[in-house]
Amino acid sequence: DTEVTQTPKHLVMGMTNKKSLKCEQHMGHRAMYWYKQKAKKPPELMFVYSYEKLSINESVPSRFSPECPNSSLLNLHLHALQPEDSALYLCASSQTDRGWETQYFGPGTRLLVL
Amino acid sequence: AQSVTQLDSQVPVFEEAPVELRCNYSSSVSVYLFWYVQYPNQGLQLLLKYLSGSTLVKGINGFEAEFNKSQTSFHLRKPSVHISDTAEYFCAVKGNNNAGNMLTFGGGTRLMVKP
Repeated sequence: DTEVTQTPKHLVMGMTNKKSLKCEQHMGHRAMYWYKQKAKKPPELMFVYSYEKLSINESVPSRFSPECPNSSLLNLHLHALQPEDSALYLCASSQTDRGWETQYFGPGTRLLVL
Repeated sequence: AQSVTQLDSQVPVFEEAPVELRCNYSSSVSVYLFWYVQYPNQGLQLLLKYLSGSTLVKGINGFEAEFNKSQTSFHLRKPSVHISDTAEYFCAVKGNNNAGNMLTFGGGTRLMVKP
């Protein structure tokens, strides 16, 4: 089983709202990732968690706040977003964060900020 | 650091014809190479990967790719495409000294299969 699940599938929020995206995997993977993908572009890495600790933050604005409560769960808390933050947000996981490990992606959450 | 160039942003092809999607990379260290497919309104699905060993790699859905170190290429091929292969294809690379397992993606190639 190589399934990564993400909820919700779609999210519409205003610029003053607070919302959260959720990602879950039950493959025993110890590395989890958040990516942002704009239309017709490749995914861009936002954050990497390794063994529940934040290991990489790609200079993401503080209005995006990741959280890894346990080894199976990854959240992305959203606050005071801008319309340009509208995108597909993808979660991925891998066995570890070693370079040869395959990343498995979830279906994504499509976010629209009004 | 690594970089990936997918030479064609769009590739139109008729059903049952062969197709090649081109990918070239640049890296100062040895690399691991991946091809992912993204169907409309979905996440990315791994097609195949090259880590080491045989340079011809077979993946899912009848796709294969060949790692050419001298040409720094990892082109994706399928001998006969189906309508259902219409999707965005991403080539990605990681350096073998990579910390954080960070993928560098190419810009993507949209494969459009016509009946």
